[in-house]
Amino acid sequence: EPEVTQTPSHQVTQMGQEVILRCVPISNHLYFYWYRQILGQKVEFLVSFYNNEISEKSEIFDDQFSVERPDGSNFTLKIRSTKLEDSAMYFCASSRGGGLRETQYFGPGTRLLVL
Amino acid sequence: RKEVEQDPGPFNVPEGATVAFNCTYSNSASQSFFWYRQDCRKEPKLLMSVYSSGNEDGRFTAQLNRASQYISLLIRDSKLSDSATYLCVVISNAGNMLTFGGGTRLMVKP
Repeated sequence: EPEVTQTPSHQVTQMGQEVILRCVPISNHLYFYWYRQILGQKVEFLVSFYNNEISEKSEIFDDQFSVERPDGSNFTLKIRSTKLEDSAMYFCASSRGGGLRETQYFGPGTRLLVL
Repeated sequence: RKEVEQDPGPFNVPEGATVAFNCTYSNSASQSFFWYRQDCRKEPKLLMSVYSSGNEDGRFTAQLNRASQYISLLIRDSKLSDSATYLCVVISNAGNMLTFGGGTRLMVKP
């Protein structure tokens, strides 16, 4: 069964450093997402991406964040200057279509720790 | 008021028990509803979509009450492997942003 994959599984960084989290969505999917989950809290939407553009973003997704699809397979989330409060599990997801009933499939996540 | 609210639990039940979880959502214009399951430190996985007419998948039954803005999940004949956190998820707008509840933790004991 096709899966969303994410690398790295864990990342430790110093405050102020840039990090890039990588995702390979399911191959025939056209919609891509990033969510995050701070330890002990709920999963929160960050951004959705379709046709090489951001289609929706939340208040969390400020100027420190950016997304890119640099080639035909990868989808990346960049945090320019990490803060302590960016420590969280970051989940990438993808869906075949953008309809209301489309299932979003989640990757295993990247656990980011900012020191 | 939280957009999607759930009782965090934990619900501790014996194997074979029937357990029900509830969820309320605040946006009356919400379009789509789901139950996801999340194991400890893992990603959310879709358990089932929730339709207005109610739907069943094996031991799992989901119901939606639009008038009360209320969603439920019933698990019959609980298995040890059902132990997880159950996430109520709503799409509230015209896009496809998932809004998650905080989850209800279920622990099934032998």
